[in-house]
Amino acid sequence: AQSVAQPEDQVNVAEGNPLTVKCTYSVSGNPYLFWYVQYPNRGLQFLLKYITGDNLVKGSYGFEAEFNKSQTSFHLKKPSALVSDSALYFCAVRDIRGSGGYQKVTFGTGTKLQVIP
Amino acid sequence: DAGVIQSPRHEVTEMGQEVTLRCKPISGHNSLFWYRQTMMRGLELLIYFNNNVPIDDSGMPEDRFSAKMPNASFSTLKIQPSEPRDSAVYFCASSPPSVMRGEIRGTQYFGPGTRLTVL
Repeated sequence: AQSVAQPEDQVNVAEGNPLTVKCTYSVSGNPYLFWYVQYPNRGLQFLLKYITGDNLVKGSYGFEAEFNKSQTSFHLKKPSALVSDSALYFCAVRDIRGSGGYQKVTFGTGTKLQVIP
Repeated sequence: DAGVIQSPRHEVTEMGQEVTLRCKPISGHNSLFWYRQTMMRGLELLIYFNNNVPIDDSGMPEDRFSAKMPNASFSTLKIQPSEPRDSAVYFCASSPPSVMRGEIRGTQYFGPGTRLTVL
């Protein structure tokens, strides 16, 4: 079974400050890891992914995430937050060993990011 | 490409009525997912199709829910009869095959959602 945990329901950060949104995962094998963002009244949008290679992954809108295998974490980060970054952020995991093309991805419960002007 | 298309965007109906939600995935994508999002339960996977075949329907709440994918470019999610607790935003997402050039393996592309209100 695969699972993902986002321990914080909400993260508040001042504009211009660095931000971190936390995510930990559990899979039987090696993971594919994703971050998605959801703006109000919109569907989820892909931000970035980790499949293999460098542990620091860069994505859209200046976001990056660090894969840490020993801590089974994949925290989302941005050096300087913008008010427009305020949204709901979802971490997701898929076991790389999904068979027969099965692409079930398990999403976390989401973290609301509030950037304060 | 126009992205994943869902219709209607908003649906208000009365308890007991049949509701049909529609989805057109991105051309070339071979996986399709139906999700439900509520404040209480977050984002729930209802059903997953691969190459038009239902692979995992373990998330379908009960027999009142059914989903079909008659071809690669169309899927429906039907609720009959509808109940107030079905009120939610329903998302459709599609995903490309692993070998599709230029695509990011495993990434899902979400539609704008259908906001369903059952009175």
